[in-house]
Amino acid sequence: DVKVTQSSRYLVKRTGEKVFLECVQDMDHENMFWYRQDPGLGLRLIYFSYDVKMKEKGDIPEGYSVSREKKERFSLILESASTNQTSMYLCASSPYYWGGYGYTFGSGTRLTVV
Amino acid sequence: SQQGEEDPQALSIQEGENATMNCSYKTSINNLQWYRQNSGRGLVHLILIRSNEREKHSGRLRVTLDTSKKSSSLLITASRAADTASYFCATGLRSIQGAQKLVFGQGTRLTINP
Repeated sequence: DVKVTQSSRYLVKRTGEKVFLECVQDMDHENMFWYRQDPGLGLRLIYFSYDVKMKEKGDIPEGYSVSREKKERFSLILESASTNQTSMYLCASSPYYWGGYGYTFGSGTRLTVV
Repeated sequence: SQQGEEDPQALSIQEGENATMNCSYKTSINNLQWYRQNSGRGLVHLILIRSNEREKHSGRLRVTLDTSKKSSSLLITASRAADTASYFCATGLRSIQGAQKLVFGQGTRLTINP
């Protein structure tokens, strides 16, 4: 089975800190994604990557950046954490560039910014 | 941008009954997918239906797609307590760079009462 592993289940950070959320997949998937999930808003796409060092903005990229130096790892960076970035963050991966395949999700990181 | 909208937002039924959830979307799609999420964990892919398909089955799941109405439905037959979860529809869209990205709706919270 494909596994997508997020480095932390729960995280508490202070306002203004630089925060790194890590995601690793073990099935050689080309595509990787970062979503945030908030009550009443569903999942919203922050950034995604379709190849090493390639990225594309999603619907809510402001305040975030990403890094994909290796195919299996996709990092989400909060440059200066703010309280409105308190949320559940979900990483996902899928094979192929445009293949119409389902995503495999990690278990999520619940980030609280105080 | 929220592409998909699920209806109802919450559904409570007795074990053994059938559960139907609906999804409407706004723009042309490549495919439509349904996911399940248990207790704020990661999402699990259930089924994918392509834009040229009208109906698809997987075990107790039946998905229909009506591209003329821009709508889909998910039917879970003979529901079980373990089906209690949130269900999300997601539409597969082509990104600026040509990769696939999924846009999720807000979800339907399904409760199966014993």
